[in-house]
Amino acid sequence: DAGVIQSPRHEVTEMGQEVTLRCKPISGHDYLFWYRQTMMRGLELLIYFNNNVPIDDSGMPEDRFSAKMPNASFSTLKIQPSEPRDSAVYFCASSSKAFSYEQYFGPGTRLTVT
Amino acid sequence: QKEVEQNSGPLSVPEGAIASLNCTYSDRGSQSFFWYRQYSGKSPELIMFIYSNGDKEDGRFTAQLNKASQYVSLLIRDSQPSDSATYLCAVRTPSNYQLIWGAGTKLIIKP
Repeated sequence: DAGVIQSPRHEVTEMGQEVTLRCKPISGHDYLFWYRQTMMRGLELLIYFNNNVPIDDSGMPEDRFSAKMPNASFSTLKIQPSEPRDSAVYFCASSSKAFSYEQYFGPGTRLTVT
Repeated sequence: QKEVEQNSGPLSVPEGAIASLNCTYSDRGSQSFFWYRQYSGKSPELIMFIYSNGDKEDGRFTAQLNKASQYVSLLIRDSQPSDSATYLCAVRTPSNYQLIWGAGTKLIIKP
């Protein structure tokens, strides 16, 4: 398996622009997680899905953030409008009950908002 | 109060020695415990998981779990410079399918 795939790997954008991050989970995994990591706050869970349904979005910082999972093999995290404080590395991870819920991470998207 | 706590380090260990990383958690109902390694600029990578009290060994790595004392540790034998990384402890509670993450311990293996 190719593992979790994320795109783009790097994104530089100006404040106020819309940013869309993409994730393809490992085939057969039924849980998908979006995380944000910064030096100050560490690894933060933003939202997670089970069978394409959002289960807990309490970590989404504000209404500027939204996430969708239209099918089992694709998810997006959108920030609109972006702000400099959104600069971070965003990880997508997937897991499966069949594999004891171990989470496998994608390579991440490094977002810089100027 | 943080639910999963780790010493942020850095923990400096000479090459060839045993590195010991510790993690404590607050929820007594926690069921699954995971150790991830994260190299600078890379994503977290699963090293080991443990569910039962006692030790679990995998190569140079040993995870130890003590549910009564609510701690889990990771031992790395024969430490190598390539083991230098940040080690993240994560805990799954029975109430949900999330992992609760510690802040990580930075480990430095000195040649």
